[in-house]
Amino acid sequence: QVQLQESGPGLVKPSETLSLTCTVSGGSIGTFYWSWIRQTPGKGLEWIGYVHHSGNTKYNPSLKSRVTISVDTSKNEFSLRLSSVTAADTAVYYCAREGSSEYFQYWGQGTRVTVSS
Amino acid sequence: EIVLTQSPDTLSLSPGERATLSCRASQSVPGNYVAWYQQKPGQAPRLLIYGASSRATGIPDRVSGSGSGTDFTLTISRLEPEDFAVYYCQQHGRSPTFGGGTKVEIK
Repeated sequence: QVQLQESGPGLVKPSETLSLTCTVSGGSIGTFYWSWIRQTPGKGLEWIGYVHHSGNTKYNPSLKSRVTISVDTSKNEFSLRLSSVTAADTAVYYCAREGSSEYFQYWGQGTRVTVSS
Repeated sequence: EIVLTQSPDTLSLSPGERATLSCRASQSVPGNYVAWYQQKPGQAPRLLIYGASSRATGIPDRVSGSGSGTDFTLTISRLEPEDFAVYYCQQHGRSPTFGGGTKVEIK
């Protein structure tokens, strides 16, 4: 059974960069696509982007200018960097693995990130 | 961007009743690629349905999905106590987007 676990700071200052890592266990990161998704009370669920083990990425156009998603196959983990954060980036951030198409078959438990000085 | 609108916002039903949830897309969803998720408080969403009508592993057959084009439906034929939760649709035919959710609450 594939399991995903997010890790990273729970508090980030405005204008700084949010960095999170997702560690994958129970399966190799060397297949499928791996995504970041966030959830806020106001905007609901929002897909941020995905990375493939080859390094290929695709981002939500609304966040593309601020997002970088990368993969480290040696550690079986992938990461999210979101720059120039504001209070609007306060959310629960989930990592997820896609199924045969761009739906999300496995999810991490989520990590809450607050943007505040 | 394909915008998904779910209705109703809240559905108040009793255990044993049938739940019918709607998801309408702003444009036709390529491949009818719509997924449905269940989310309970403090938990991540759980995949129920993908490709409009394919059940995910371990999902009981009282849960079914249907639809095509712009109109999709999630049906739970007989509500069990564990079915009371929030449900989201998501299109996976283009850059993924989610609906705003329908809460199924106990009447």
